[in-house]
Amino acid sequence: AQSVTQLGSHVSVSEGALVLLRCNYSSSVPPYLFWYVQYPNQGLQLLLKYTSAATLVKGINGFEAEFKKSETSFHLTKPSAHMSDAAEYFCAVSPNFGNEKLTFGTGTRLTIIP
Amino acid sequence: GAGVSQTPSNKVTEKGKYVELRCDPISGHTALYWYRQSLGQGPEFLIYFQGTGAADDSGLPNDRFFAVRPEGSVSTLKIQRTERGDSAVYLCASSLRARQNYGYTFGSGTRLTVV
Repeated sequence: AQSVTQLGSHVSVSEGALVLLRCNYSSSVPPYLFWYVQYPNQGLQLLLKYTSAATLVKGINGFEAEFKKSETSFHLTKPSAHMSDAAEYFCAVSPNFGNEKLTFGTGTRLTIIP
Repeated sequence: GAGVSQTPSNKVTEKGKYVELRCDPISGHTALYWYRQSLGQGPEFLIYFQGTGAADDSGLPNDRFFAVRPEGSVSTLKIQRTERGDSAVYLCASSLRARQNYGYTFGSGTRLTVV
């Protein structure tokens, strides 16, 4: 079975500061890993995905994430936070063959301090 | 359509009533997924379709929940004898193929409130 753990249900950073949202996964098979963002009253939007190609994945809006197998982590980063980054962020995992379910973490709410 | 459309956006119903939630996927997307998101939680998988058939319905919580996709496009999630615990946002997503490396596109969801 696959699962993800997102450390920190709420994260606050100052505008212009580094954003770091943590995600650790558990998977008995090689995983696909995803970050989704959810703005208020909107659906989830895919930020980026790891599908066993490059371990450093670049996504939309300046976000990136690095797959570290030794640490079972897939942390999301952005060098400089913008006010428009305020949203809820979800990490998700899926086995990379056969099973099409995504298993989501409980989410991290990102607040940007002006 | 340009995106995944879900109707209604909000639904309030009384305990014990029957409800139907509709999802209209992106044109040409053969895979369709339903998830449920309770307050303060991440989305939880319910069911997914590849074409007209339910390829995996292991996430449906009990036999009060049922979903169909008769023509391989629009899908309806049906909930019988609704309970207060069914209150949640029901999310639909579609994908070009049922392979994770294609990625999903989610709709904005239907917020169901059972009173």
